[in-house]
Amino acid sequence: KAGVTQTPRYLIKTRGQQVTLSCSPISGHRSVSWYQQTPGQGLQFLFEYFSETQRNKGNFPGRFSGRQFSNSRSEMNVSTLELGDSALYLCASSSYRGSRGYTFGSGTRLTVV
Amino acid sequence: TQLLEQSPQFLSIQEGENLTVYCNSSSVFSSLQWYRQEPGEGPVLLVTVVTGGEVKKLKRLTFQFGDARKDSSLHITAAQTGDTGLYLCALRIQGAQKLVFGQGTRLTINP
Repeated sequence: KAGVTQTPRYLIKTRGQQVTLSCSPISGHRSVSWYQQTPGQGLQFLFEYFSETQRNKGNFPGRFSGRQFSNSRSEMNVSTLELGDSALYLCASSSYRGSRGYTFGSGTRLTVV
Repeated sequence: TQLLEQSPQFLSIQEGENLTVYCNSSSVFSSLQWYRQEPGEGPVLLVTVVTGGEVKKLKRLTFQFGDARKDSSLHITAAQTGDTGLYLCALRIQGAQKLVFGQGTRLTINP
């Protein structure tokens, strides 16, 4: 079956702009989580969506938001981009909210200039 | 302070050698997951260990969960260049439905 698909793979944005990233989970998976990966901080949890509702949120400012659609596809949005937002953004899907592990997408590499 | 400490941070060895990487915590955890991440890709789940003292084997990879469930190790026998990557241990926080990752061990196997 198809894996987790993230689009786009690469993005370059300017400070102050906003960006929207997309994630299509594995068919049948209803839980989608987002993570930010940077060389300094490693992988950090952003938020989790299950059945179109945000269930958990990490320690990130309100500029980071997301949503989930009825087909379980998810988007995350970052407004008023800062240089420090440059990172690999990873989406992970799970059928049992992580109890049997997560399947990650290949990520979106965001560069803010 | 990191909830999970991985060591070493970097390891570079020759093909055919054996190696062990470690994941430690001051807290007891109910289960631990190991992932491998290759450049330009997302992490891929290798194994989940649940029971204290548990040993799981995945071909040349052996995963061990400490008796006290506060530490875990990954041993690779006869390393191959295809084993190169970032090895991450992760704790699943049950109530928050999220993973907390260690900083990872960046492994390079030289031909």
